[in-house]
This record gives sequence, C-alpha cells and structure tokens, in this order.
Amino acid sequence: DAMVIQNPRYQVTQFGKPVTLSCSQTLNHNVMYWYQQKSSQAPKLLFHYYDKDFNNEADTPDNFQSRRPNTSFCFLDIRSPGLGDAAMYLCATSDQRGPQHFGDGTRLSIL
Amino acid sequence: AQKITQTQPGMFVQEKEAVTLDCTYDTSDQSYGLFWYKQPSSGEMIFLIYQGSYDEQNATEGRYSLNFQKARKSANLVISASQLGDSAMYFCAMREAYSSASKIIFGSGTRLSIRP
Repeated sequence: DAMVIQNPRYQVTQFGKPVTLSCSQTLNHNVMYWYQQKSSQAPKLLFHYYDKDFNNEADTPDNFQSRRPNTSFCFLDIRSPGLGDAAMYLCATSDQRGPQHFGDGTRLSIL
Repeated sequence: AQKITQTQPGMFVQEKEAVTLDCTYDTSDQSYGLFWYKQPSSGEMIFLIYQGSYDEQNATEGRYSLNFQKARKSANLVISASQLGDSAMYFCAMREAYSSASKIIFGSGTRLSIRP
C-alpha cells in the first residue's frame, strides 16, 4: 500500500545533541510537510516543500532545518534540541489540491 | 491571511446520537479547500472529508458529512449515529488557493468523547 513512513517512531536525545527525523513516501506526491505537535494542540507547520522549493514558516526557529534529497524522502534536522522541542513531529504529503496523508509521527523526548 | 477557528474545545455526546463540530474560517481567496481530520489517542492523523470552495453540494463520506455555508464561512462536520470509536480529537483545516506556495493550516481542534 502507498503510504507515508516516519522513522523512528520514538526518539530520545540529549539536550543540545543534534537529531534527525526521517520521512519517506510511496505516494509520489510533490508536496511534503513537517509539523510539530504538542500535547492537545493543533499541529504547527514548520516548513513544506513543493518539489524542491522550500517554504519556511516565519516563526520556525533557526534550530530546525530540513532536507529533501529526492521526491520520496524528507528529513527534519534539529541542530541543538532544547527541552521545549519535545513534541510529536508529523510528516505529511499531498498533491497540489488533495488532502494530506500523514505518517504515524515521531515522538521526540529530550533528556 | 487565512485563519481557522474551532470554538468547542471539548464535547460529550451519547452513543448513537448525531454530533456537529463547528468550524469557521477566514480567507480572502475565492478558491480554497476545507478538510477535516481525526486524531485518536494513538496519534495518527486520519483524513475524513474534503469540501472545495466551488463545490455546489455538501460533501459526504459514510457517516461523515460537511455542512458547508460559504456565505457564513463555516464548514461544520456532522457525524451521524456516533460510535465509541469516534472518541478523538477532530481538526478542521484549510488550504488557501492552489499554488506552489499553498499550505494547509489547522484549527485548534475539538476533543469529542462518546458516552456509552
């Protein structure tokens, strides 16, 4: 089945230690998104790619970076995680008009 | 700028009753899409239903229907004959215009709890 896969499902890192979350898709969608979601809150868009065009939200901290080496893969890099970055990170894909298809998320904990 | 408002932080409904979850939106675009998602406690986001701004009829998907009132800028989700498995967070979302820079933003969500 075509899908969006996020790895790992759970990630634990130390304060200040860089961490990378990955997302892959078999849907061949041209748009990929990264969201941060904290408990009982709405997902907050960090950035999205339309093909290789990168769109950063104005309030996304500089600590967060993203890479999309090809259509299928997208990575979220957190350069120096702080305690406030502990959250669920959701990857989603869509074509230009349709709904988003989400992965199961990566729950990030900071020690 | 686009904005989505969900005014019901939480709702309790008796099993088998119908429930309406409210959503209002603000946009200056004529062309946009509206979505509803369900997020169970396990965390995954599940797409439920879509309404395009130019669609004449209200969207329906099984027990889900979208009450779209364009002039009022509202897109309420109606769940008929609620089930225990409907207990979850529900998010209304909107995509403004169909351009390469288009993005989907979410409302704050409504937590629905179904009582047996």
